[in-house]
Amino acid sequence: DAKTTQPTSMDCAEGRAANLPCNHSTISGNEYVYWYRQIHSQGPQYIIHGLKNNETNEMASLIITEDRKSSTLILPHATLRDTAVYYCIVRALGGWGKLQFGAGTQVVVTP
Amino acid sequence: SAVISQKPSRDICQRGTSLTIQCQVDSQVTMMFWYRQQPGQSLTLIATANQGSEATYESGFVIDKFPISRPNLTFSTLTVSNMSPEDSSIYLCSVESSRGEIEAFFGQGTRLTVV
Repeated sequence: DAKTTQPTSMDCAEGRAANLPCNHSTISGNEYVYWYRQIHSQGPQYIIHGLKNNETNEMASLIITEDRKSSTLILPHATLRDTAVYYCIVRALGGWGKLQFGAGTQVVVTP
Repeated sequence: SAVISQKPSRDICQRGTSLTIQCQVDSQVTMMFWYRQQPGQSLTLIATANQGSEATYESGFVIDKFPISRPNLTFSTLTVSNMSPEDSSIYLCSVESSRGEIEAFFGQGTRLTVV
């Protein structure tokens, strides 16, 4: 069973920030939070990951709550090309690549 | 990063036949993984392909149905055997870089339709 819970879908206006929530209440101390996205007809693409500190890269920011039971992926300025299914995944150290995908959130960015 | 090429990108096959999907990586990688994505669904791991040993299959997947080869550190194949319409899915190859990168890379997938 997937260890995360995400909303099924969300809409976002182009140019606005998209905030994607994820619940992972059973996360263990050695598990990271990863985010991937899958644009239609493509393979999943890595976005960002974190353990307990907030993280930022050129694609997005990841905010993890202090108790680590939930997190939020932030796309600062959504574009139409950000329309995709976004997957929040928790995974322990090691075993990189062996990912347990949940249903994800279908994000639609509209003009 | 790793660049992954999958062949074929798509195919339409008759039931009862088999299809072999190839996955080529542009660098040596330790671990390769095969996933299935059924229509409208998320990805499910089929097996882990290890070089020099037999693949490790996840619950619900068996070697007779999905034989896997891993002859070297840059290549793997997945065969979907004795196909039925229920095997219609996208099959994706994924790799873990041996250079210590901690993200997984995915191929574009093979879209299989069984008629």
